[in-house]
Amino acid sequence: DAGVTQSPTHLIKTRGQQVTLRCSPKSGHDTVSWYQQALGQGPQFIFQYYEEEERQRGNFPDRFSGHQFPNYSSELNVNALLLGDSALYLCASSFFFPNKLGYEQYFGPGTRLTVT
Amino acid sequence: KNQVEQSPQSLIILEGKNCTLQCNYTVSPFSNLRWYKQDTGRGPVSLTIMTFSENTKSNGRYTATLDADTKQSSLHITASQLSDSASYICVVSPGGSQGNLIFGKGTKLSVKP
Repeated sequence: DAGVTQSPTHLIKTRGQQVTLRCSPKSGHDTVSWYQQALGQGPQFIFQYYEEEERQRGNFPDRFSGHQFPNYSSELNVNALLLGDSALYLCASSFFFPNKLGYEQYFGPGTRLTVT
Repeated sequence: KNQVEQSPQSLIILEGKNCTLQCNYTVSPFSNLRWYKQDTGRGPVSLTIMTFSENTKSNGRYTATLDADTKQSSLHITASQLSDSASYICVVSPGGSQGNLIFGKGTKLSVKP
């Protein structure tokens, strides 16, 4: 059973360009969350998708958008890239439990994005 | 403002020794607290999850404690191994939110032979 997978592993883009990152959740999971982790910092929540809709969003500009497909996989899109967008982008999957405390999130290996 | 602070920022110990990492949080309302281990350039891996009603939880050589009254948690590592070298991140989930985890900056642990 494959865990959470992300592609690509590494990516180099130029300022102003657009990028798409992809995530396949762990088998049986229906919820995907995206995080940005700058070097030496903890991950910061970007948004979460469930039932193909954005359910929650962190403090990120509209340049960051996403999508979830019927098979629960997800994409993160970033437009008009800035140097400050260079980071490790992590995808985490989980199974949505209404009103449940202590649910588990499984993280993928991340995509390292470098903006030059 | 919801925040998670960890100490120390970094730690070097000798193989076989024990160590304790600290976490203080100001997240409210509180749902649960997790400790993750993150190897360099890799995704975090969950070690423990505790709700407000749990005081301690163990996972092998890792033991986490939680004091919801003082909003403090600790992660104790027993008989450290070289493979324990990693960043250890304290993560708090606000009440009513399944996605918006709040991460600390982590403690970078180096275990030396």
